[in-house]
Amino acid sequence: EAQVTQNPRYLITVTGKKLTVTCSQNMNHEYMSWYRQDPGLGLRQIYYSMNVEVTDKGDVPEGYKVSRKEKRNFPLILESPSPNQTSLYFCASSLSNRVGQPQHFGDGTRLSIL
Amino acid sequence: AQKITQTQPGMFVQEKEAVTLDCTYDTSDQSYGLFWYKQPSSGEMIFLIYQGSYDEQNATEGRYSLNFQKARKSANLVISASQLGDSAMYFCAMREGETSGSRLTFGEGTQLTVNP
Repeated sequence: EAQVTQNPRYLITVTGKKLTVTCSQNMNHEYMSWYRQDPGLGLRQIYYSMNVEVTDKGDVPEGYKVSRKEKRNFPLILESPSPNQTSLYFCASSLSNRVGQPQHFGDGTRLSIL
Repeated sequence: AQKITQTQPGMFVQEKEAVTLDCTYDTSDQSYGLFWYKQPSSGEMIFLIYQGSYDEQNATEGRYSLNFQKARKSANLVISASQLGDSAMYFCAMREGETSGSRLTFGEGTQLTVNP
């Protein structure tokens, strides 16, 4: 089954404790992206990657890191999480960066930073 | 200016009836894509339907159709024969800027409730 898989689905942690949210897709997609969803602010892009070893900042990259060493994986790293990073996070992928390609989303990761 | 505007925070519809969810967009790009996503209360984001800026025909996908009026910059979602399972948040989104991130920009969403 074609899908984008995020782990964990839920995480409660404390300020300053490094964490990684994994994202993997099995569709051989070139483009991958991370979004966060917050009440009143909607969905905003954090980082994106157009292909292996090609990543760039989105609208809200502060406090996050990403890497794209393999085509299928695009982990999101919070080196020193803070409470303002409490949010619902989505990983998404599409065949390419063409505007006509839909982005397919993972099921989301609910992150709470205490 | 908002790139995607959804003016209906909440909509109610009777089961088996049709409902239209409004979406207007703003872009200066000639090439862009318009998408609708469904987010149930469980939280996942489900892709429903796509319309390209150069498409002359309105997109359809099962019970979903997209009423695309390019001159008015609107891309309304029509759900026919509503079902209880259609109750969810619906987001209109636009993809533009292939060389500058190709991000999706989302509207604020419309909460649809289908009544039995």
